[in-house]
Amino acid sequence: DTGVSQDPRHKITKRGQNVTFRCDPISEHNRLYWYRQTLGQGPEFLTYFQNEAQLEKSRLLSDRFSAERPKGSFSTLEIQRTEQGDSAMYLCASSRDRANGYTFGSGTRLTVV
Amino acid sequence: AQRVTQPEKLLSVFKGAPVELKCNYSYSGSPELFWYVQYSRQRLQLLLRHISRESIKGFTADLNKGETSFHLKKPFAQEEDSAMYYCALSGSGNTGKLIFGQGTTLQVKP
Repeated sequence: DTGVSQDPRHKITKRGQNVTFRCDPISEHNRLYWYRQTLGQGPEFLTYFQNEAQLEKSRLLSDRFSAERPKGSFSTLEIQRTEQGDSAMYLCASSRDRANGYTFGSGTRLTVV
Repeated sequence: AQRVTQPEKLLSVFKGAPVELKCNYSYSGSPELFWYVQYSRQRLQLLLRHISRESIKGFTADLNKGETSFHLKKPFAQEEDSAMYYCALSGSGNTGKLIFGQGTTLQVKP
């Protein structure tokens, strides 16, 4: 297990297109998180899964955003009808429990043109 | 409201000088606090957690509930400490959701 993997590393898309990102967490971690980070800011929480259940979503996550973790393993984050304001680094993290902190992936950098 | 404030965007020190990266938080309950670090071209990684009271790479951080602070300290900075440092708060609920500060860039000059 090489840690948390995210794919793709970079994505450039035209405004209005749909994009999907994938995250493969550490296999024994049942908690999975998505964050978004823009330039000069810290990561902002988007959503949380415990196993396959999506237990919390941020108000930042508009109706155009959807996330899944169908078998409690990998997760996908889809953005429909992308807007320029969606340009950001999308980070995935996993953890075994609340107290021990996260392991982050390298992120997917989205640029909407 | 739960909030983390890192007042300094950039902290520049000379090698061997002491370092203190400031973090203040706003939270009404018992917080869990973390420091994360991101070295150049690397992913964000956990540096330390307040509950473990550990010292990692010479860094320590003490939770001061009276001042609602969790400052990160190191007595003698090294050039390899140059990185972006984020303070984060895990607040209410069982999700483990983190609220991050804006980050402080630490630059250690030779």
